[in-house]
Amino acid sequence: DTEVTQTPKHLVMGMTNKKSLKCEQHMGHRAMYWYKQKAKKPPELMFVYSYEKLSINESVPSRFSPECPNSSLLNLHLHALQPEDSALYLCASSQDSTGRSVYGYTFGSGTRLTVV
Amino acid sequence: QKEVEQNSGPLSVPEGAIASLNCTYSDRGSQSFFWYRQYSGKSPELIMFIYSNGDKEDGRFTAQLNKASQYVSLLIRDSQPSDSATYLCAVPYSGSARQLTFGSGTQLTVLP
Repeated sequence: DTEVTQTPKHLVMGMTNKKSLKCEQHMGHRAMYWYKQKAKKPPELMFVYSYEKLSINESVPSRFSPECPNSSLLNLHLHALQPEDSALYLCASSQDSTGRSVYGYTFGSGTRLTVV
Repeated sequence: QKEVEQNSGPLSVPEGAIASLNCTYSDRGSQSFFWYRQYSGKSPELIMFIYSNGDKEDGRFTAQLNKASQYVSLLIRDSQPSDSATYLCAVPYSGSARQLTFGSGTQLTVLP
């Protein structure tokens, strides 16, 4: 069982819908991440939260809005998405965001998003 | 130049053979290197990390690092069909404030 829990596992939404992806970890990690992965491509970084503050936004369109209510939770709010936003959305966590941790990132099982 | 590059696949090896996966990186300041395995439709799973030059062994997996050549590899001995997956090399890249940057992945198929 993964120690990073993502819900829902699958989501189909229309282009006018508003939905949210949720991520939870209880490993005491202080950095959390959202990645987007298209088929047969590597994960691409979207957002980084360090100590509950947004530290990196990789030029992600505003239709994606992250939120970190506390050190264990990370949300990704979705609004007015496009069909090309359909992808696997991965949440990850790590001890910190310095990149020096030798333990890497722990990924959740992902949310398979389809925009119709 | 891409930050992290992996040898192009797909790679097919017979069961019991050694699978060799290679990765080069551009940031000489990188200190930690990771190999993730991703089964189709699943999320990446960390299988190895290495931060010192030389070899690191864990069961059937051996990671090799050469910082002078900016090269990291993964060897899988006695390959099994269950090893069939995409293997992702990942390096903290200073261009993204040392966030984990992934190579394009190598799809490995182990033939029974």
